[in-house]
Amino acid sequence: GAVVSQHPSWVICKSGTSVKIECRSLDFQATTMFWYRQFPKQSLMLMATSNEGSKATYEQGVEKDKFLINHASLTLSTLTVTSAHPEDSSFYICSGQGTGGFKYEQYFGPGTRLTVT
Amino acid sequence: KQEVTQIPAALSVPEGENLVLNCSFTDSAIYNLQWFRQDPGKGLTSLLLIQSSQREQTSGRLNASLDKSSGRSTLYIAASQPGDSATYLCAVMNNAGNMLTFGGGTRLMVKP
Repeated sequence: GAVVSQHPSWVICKSGTSVKIECRSLDFQATTMFWYRQFPKQSLMLMATSNEGSKATYEQGVEKDKFLINHASLTLSTLTVTSAHPEDSSFYICSGQGTGGFKYEQYFGPGTRLTVT
Repeated sequence: KQEVTQIPAALSVPEGENLVLNCSFTDSAIYNLQWFRQDPGKGLTSLLLIQSSQREQTSGRLNASLDKSSGRSTLYIAASQPGDSATYLCAVMNNAGNMLTFGGGTRLMVKP
């Protein structure tokens, strides 16, 4: 199956700082990438959808100025958490959707655990 | 808005038992349904994907069924093993292909 990587796998940052998470599709072109957030013992919630070269579409309740998403190429999307606060601590998972495999199938990255102190 | 519910939320069984995990969704206009496994602190592993036109999919000891009209899917695990212990997530894709809605998951523990 198609492979998606995320970097870093875990990060600790201080309150008020910004942190960038990378999501890469290693062996396919991801025309669309999705960013999800998962709080402990809860399910995944979609944060935003990005198409290569276009502005991301954010779900209701997700602050677009706080969670900056860039999808500059067909293999890379980044999520920057700006002015992070402890309540932003969560598990962030990205997925890529391309033209191969089952139509509309999303391939998930291994996730990034963010802890804000 | 699509809502996906998984029952039970948690399940503990002795090794060797056959078990069934349930998933229900409110909007039957789906493109496909997918079952995932998630180990603690890890990402998602895709187990089975069922297209809306299909009734079931099988992989090894796993069998997933889909009844789109009634908004239900089941994941059947045969001869459970301790290594099956994980959280199992059900997710449905809308017809536009741009929204995957997840259920709350079932936390499974298989005791030796």
